[in-house]
Amino acid sequence: AQSVTQLGSHVSVSEGALVLLRCNYSSSVPPYLFWYVQYPNQGLQLLLKYTTGATLVKGINGFEAEFKKSETSFHLTKPSAHMSDAAEYFCAVTSNTGFQKLVFGTGTRLLVSP
Amino acid sequence: DVKVTQSSRYLVKRTGEKVFLECVQDMDHENMFWYRQDPGLGLRLIYFSYDVKMKEKGDIPEGYSVSREKKERFSLILESASTNQTSMYLCASSPTQQDNSPLHFGNGTRLTVT
Repeated sequence: AQSVTQLGSHVSVSEGALVLLRCNYSSSVPPYLFWYVQYPNQGLQLLLKYTTGATLVKGINGFEAEFKKSETSFHLTKPSAHMSDAAEYFCAVTSNTGFQKLVFGTGTRLLVSP
Repeated sequence: DVKVTQSSRYLVKRTGEKVFLECVQDMDHENMFWYRQDPGLGLRLIYFSYDVKMKEKGDIPEGYSVSREKKERFSLILESASTNQTSMYLCASSPTQQDNSPLHFGNGTRLTVT
């Protein structure tokens, strides 16, 4: 069975600081990995995804994530936080072996202070 | 742009009532999903459907049923609402059965059962 662990339910950064949101997964088959963002009172929207190929994936709003198979990780980063990045972020995993069924992590709320 | 519309933003129902949550997508997507979102638990899959009149149980189907009579519409039904079903409900759709196709989410329905 697949699972996702997001370390830290809340992460606080100052505006302009590096953002690092951690995600580790378990999967017995090659995974597909996703990061979604949820702004207040909205549904989730896709930030970026890894399927195959290049392990460093760039997404919207300056975010990127690196797939590290040896560490079973897919951490999300952004070099410089902006106030508008304050939101909840979800990591998710699925596999290439059958019907699409995403498994989500418990989410990390990013707080950005001036 | 894909639009997934959930008919109600907020709902308040009484214990024992039958509750219908409606979801419509406008992009002819094959797959539709219902998740519930609870603090500290992330998103958990209730039911999904990959075709009209087809449905599959997710991870937490107990107390819920679904209906998909038309491709664009996927309804979640609480046969007899209980207080532990107070939650945020998110509908999503995706175009194909490929595991790497992203989900498109509605803005959610916050259901309170009193």
